[in-house]
Amino acid sequence: EVQLVESGGGLVQPGGSLRLSCAASGFTFSSYEMNWVRQAPGKGLEWVSYISSSGSTIYYADSVKGRFTISRDNAKNSLYLQMNSLRAEDTAVYYCAREAQLEPGAFDIWGQGTMVTVSS
Amino acid sequence: QSVLTQPPSVSAAPGQKVTISCSGSSSNIGNNYVSWYQQLPGTAPKLLIYDNNKRPSGIPDRFSGSKSGTSATLGITGLQTGDEADYYCGTWDSSLSAGNYVFGTGTKVTVL
Repeated sequence: EVQLVESGGGLVQPGGSLRLSCAASGFTFSSYEMNWVRQAPGKGLEWVSYISSSGSTIYYADSVKGRFTISRDNAKNSLYLQMNSLRAEDTAVYYCAREAQLEPGAFDIWGQGTMVTVSS
Repeated sequence: QSVLTQPPSVSAAPGQKVTISCSGSSSNIGNNYVSWYQQLPGTAPKLLIYDNNKRPSGIPDRFSGSKSGTSATLGITGLQTGDEADYYCGTWDSSLSAGNYVFGTGTKVTVL
């Protein structure tokens, strides 16, 4: 079964750090571009970051640039999001999402999400 | 704030049809493929439409997509209670910086 499972969310104080992980299974992870998308409570979807299949190309939303770092370990079939200098406005459910091959912008597989709460 | 504008809500009776618009610009919808996502309450989003009008396997043909210029539209026919959800359009955007994906503001579909 094709699956993405996020972990690493939790409660963190403003200014703190957290590292999210996304474990992939059921497909050749190294062949796919990956993204992180977040959703604040009661709000819409917000794209956070993109990484190419090899990890050589990376993009960030302006709202997280300089604070978040996306990475991947294809040998471990895992995607990561290192989040530093966290702010209250980073509170959200964070989803990892696979981008369909040869179909730019089509996020065809999503994880169940992991909740990040930034609060003192 | 999103650069893709959707109506906050649409509603119709069971069996009827609804359409959801997604308005953007030449830097996003005008020059890129549009996808549509369905998010049922308390669940992760699900891909409904990609490449403007293609359906992934398993998505019924009650769902359709189209694009014209800088706008896209999602149509749902034969509305069912199970279609009550939030719907989002999405596409890549090149106006601000390289590599910026944008989602629409989201539309809540209510089955009366």
